[in-house]
Amino acid sequence: QQQVKQSPQSLIVQKGGISIINCAYENTAFDYFPWYQQFPGKGPALLIAIRPDVSEKKEGRFTISFNKSAKQFSLHIMDSQPGDSATYFCAAVNFNKFYFGSGTKLNVKP
Amino acid sequence: NAGVTQTPKFRVLKTGQSMTLLCAQDMNHEYMYWYRQDPGMGLRLIHYSVGEGTTAKGEVPDGYNVSRLKKQNFLLGLESAAPSQTSVYFCASSRGAGRNTDTQYFGPGTRLTVL
Repeated sequence: QQQVKQSPQSLIVQKGGISIINCAYENTAFDYFPWYQQFPGKGPALLIAIRPDVSEKKEGRFTISFNKSAKQFSLHIMDSQPGDSATYFCAAVNFNKFYFGSGTKLNVKP
Repeated sequence: NAGVTQTPKFRVLKTGQSMTLLCAQDMNHEYMYWYRQDPGMGLRLIHYSVGEGTTAKGEVPDGYNVSRLKKQNFLLGLESAAPSQTSVYFCASSRGAGRNTDTQYFGPGTRLTVL
């Protein structure tokens, strides 16, 4: 069974719009929640990450919102650009073992 | 620095054949990981290593073996390939030392097809 559930599977957003990807987990032992970005033919690369002691982290156009009580976290991409078109994976980490969501393929239309 | 490199980039095997995938990192990282990526399944951990000479099972270890004889290398072996092992395989490394906040650095992947 998947430890981290991610939605939606795919997302189409107009340039300048907001992209929102959601993840949920069950294991309260997870204590680190990174997001990875993957372009076709490449390996995933760390985009932004959060620890559960904060509710929000922002880096440029990328924001993670974290709801510890609901065991949910989400990635918001503000002012989405065609260059953001990629697959995004959330992950939850415990004892250096990473559990990834199933991925969201984002397509930002010009 | 080359970062994390994987060899080969592509491979086609017949059912029952064996092969070894090589991962190398030049960042002096302690931890190394092997994942497989399948459509709709995300990345699933096969095996990992927390240091030279150590290995441990991940979520989907069956049908695979690993070895970490040198700190910079992590080998993934398929003794008798099956069509279910058709996937893209990624290696990753991190500094380790027990810190969950370590970034994982991924290689470019190996696309394996088993006929």
